[in-house]
Amino acid sequence: AQSVTQLGSHVSVSEGALVLLRCNYSSSVPPYLFWYVQYPNQGLQLLLKYTTGATLVKGINGFEAEFKKSETSFHLTKPSAHMSDAAEYFCAVSRGGSNYKLTFGKGTLLTVNP
Amino acid sequence: NAGVTQTPKFQVLKTGQSMTLQCAQDMNHEYMSWYRQDPGMGLRLIHYSVGAGITDQGEVPNGYNVSRSTTEDFPLRLLSAAPSQTSVYFCASSWTSGSSYNEQFFGPGTRLTVL
Repeated sequence: AQSVTQLGSHVSVSEGALVLLRCNYSSSVPPYLFWYVQYPNQGLQLLLKYTTGATLVKGINGFEAEFKKSETSFHLTKPSAHMSDAAEYFCAVSRGGSNYKLTFGKGTLLTVNP
Repeated sequence: NAGVTQTPKFQVLKTGQSMTLQCAQDMNHEYMSWYRQDPGMGLRLIHYSVGAGITDQGEVPNGYNVSRSTTEDFPLRLLSAAPSQTSVYFCASSWTSGSSYNEQFFGPGTRLTVL
């Protein structure tokens, strides 16, 4: 069975600072990995995904993530935080082609301070 | 396209009452799923469907029923609501197209409170 661990339930950064949200996964088969963002009182929106190929994945709103198989990690980064990035971020893993059965991490709430 | 729609947005039930959360998608997606979101728990899979007439249990299925008579609709039924089912419920849909792996699209959620 796969699982996802997000280190840090709450991350606070200053506007313009680097954003780093950590995600580690466990999976017995090659994983498909996702980052979703949830703004207050809204549904989840896909930021980026890794399936196969290039291990550095670029997503929307300037975010990117790198798949590191040796470290079983898929950390999310953004060079310069903006106030509008304040939201909750979820890392998720899908086993193989089962894109209807995601296992989510517990989420990281990102606060951006002016 | 409206995408994934959910009704109602908010609902308050008393313990023991039953209700159905509605979910519909207009993208002709084969796959649909229900998740619940609780503080500090992330999202957990309740039930899912890989096509009309085919459903299966996820991680936390107890107390919930589903059916899928059409591609578009995937209702979630609470037969006898309990306070432990107070949560935000999300419906999601996805599809497959050969070697392309496609993400799940999520609805806006239903916030349910059971008193």
